[in-house]
Amino acid sequence: NAGVTQTPKFRVLKTGQSMTLLCAQDMNHEYMYWYRQDPGMGLRLIHYSVGEGTTAKGEVPDGYNVSRLKKQNFLLGLESAAPSQTSVYFCASRGDLQGALYDSPLHFGNGTRLTVT
Amino acid sequence: GEDVEQSLFLSVREGDSSVINCTYTDSSSTYLYWYKQEPGAGLQLLTYIFSNMDMKQDQRLTVLLNKKDKHLSLRIADTQTGDSAIYFCAESNNFGNEKLTFGTGTRLTIIP
Repeated sequence: NAGVTQTPKFRVLKTGQSMTLLCAQDMNHEYMYWYRQDPGMGLRLIHYSVGEGTTAKGEVPDGYNVSRLKKQNFLLGLESAAPSQTSVYFCASRGDLQGALYDSPLHFGNGTRLTVT
Repeated sequence: GEDVEQSLFLSVREGDSSVINCTYTDSSSTYLYWYKQEPGAGLQLLTYIFSNMDMKQDQRLTVLLNKKDKHLSLRIADTQTGDSAIYFCAESNNFGNEKLTFGTGTRLTIIP
């Protein structure tokens, strides 16, 4: 049971380059989320999706785009990377739409460490 | 917007109790959570408490909530080396499509 899988685990980009982070979940979850984690700032929500074909902006969406073409995958794109996007990126998913988070907790991937030079 | 604050670091001797504190600003918070992040891993839900509760105990974990002061704490009894991790406090106030607001995280270090 893989749960939430993020690829790649590490990446170094030069300023202006683009890349896509992939998140895949095998739990048939409806909701998927992308967070970034920065020292001393906790986790901040970038974008999220409430189902296949839908996306919505979170707290810090600028500079990122997302797509949810298939229910099991949620892609995070950086079109033109900037040093301020150096961070650890976490994908998460959850299932039950009617339950509180304690019923259907967020399942997190192990993160992607991105460095932009 | 909502704000959740935690101390960044805490060191505790093995076998002692650890107390990790959290303050939040949103008075309409409905659920409050503690997540644990071990090195190189994502976050895992550790425990939670409803806003109409004062205390919740789960084995070595005790959660205390002071709603008046908007203060949440996590006590870990008999702290072990396996408890070394970053602990995140999180709150939500919207039942259904819940989005969490996370604290800054507290790195717990165990001293042998």
